[in-house]
Amino acid sequence: AQRVTQPEKLLSVFKGAPVELKCNYSYSGSPELFWYVQYSRQRLQLLLRHISRESIKGFTADLNKGETSFHLKKPFAQEEDSAMYYCALSGLAEGGGADGLTFGKGTHLIIQP
Amino acid sequence: DAGVTQSPTHLIKTRGQQVTLRCSPKSGHDTVSWYQQALGQGPQFIFQYYEEEERQRGNFPDRFSGHQFPNYSSELNVNALLLGDSALYLCASSSFTYEQYFGPGTRLTVT
Repeated sequence: AQRVTQPEKLLSVFKGAPVELKCNYSYSGSPELFWYVQYSRQRLQLLLRHISRESIKGFTADLNKGETSFHLKKPFAQEEDSAMYYCALSGLAEGGGADGLTFGKGTHLIIQP
Repeated sequence: DAGVTQSPTHLIKTRGQQVTLRCSPKSGHDTVSWYQQALGQGPQFIFQYYEEEERQRGNFPDRFSGHQFPNYSSELNVNALLLGDSALYLCASSSFTYEQYFGPGTRLTVT
């Protein structure tokens, strides 16, 4: 069964410090990995996906297939980064298109001034 | 484009009742997925609709059913409501890609 694990329920760091949100997964096959973010009073939105290899808002995430990890990193945290972060994976549905997403339980990131 | 819209915003029902939640996908999207998010948890996949058929289903009982209309909008129906069904119900739409766009959710409270 596919599973996503985010070991930290809460992560608090000071502004300007590096941030790393951990994500480990289990999946038989080659999944797509994502990070979703939910800012206060806003809807869930895609932050980045591993296949695009982009840096969004200074965040990056590298897929490590050997360790089955997809940790989210940012070198210098900003106060506006405070939010709930969810790691998620998706497989390929029969006939093409994406499977439903499997989410982790989320990490609440708090950036202290 | 308003993006994904859901109605109603909030809903209070009694145990044993039935409820219908509605979702309109983002313009250009043909696939709708539904998720249940309990307090303090990540969203859990309920099912996905494509071409008016249920394409994939998560680990939810048959009390949870859905429908997709020719205009790609979708409904989620839950019968015989239990207290444990209280949650935020999220709808997400996508096209033939992996990226899913989420709606604001419907908060269901079962008393």
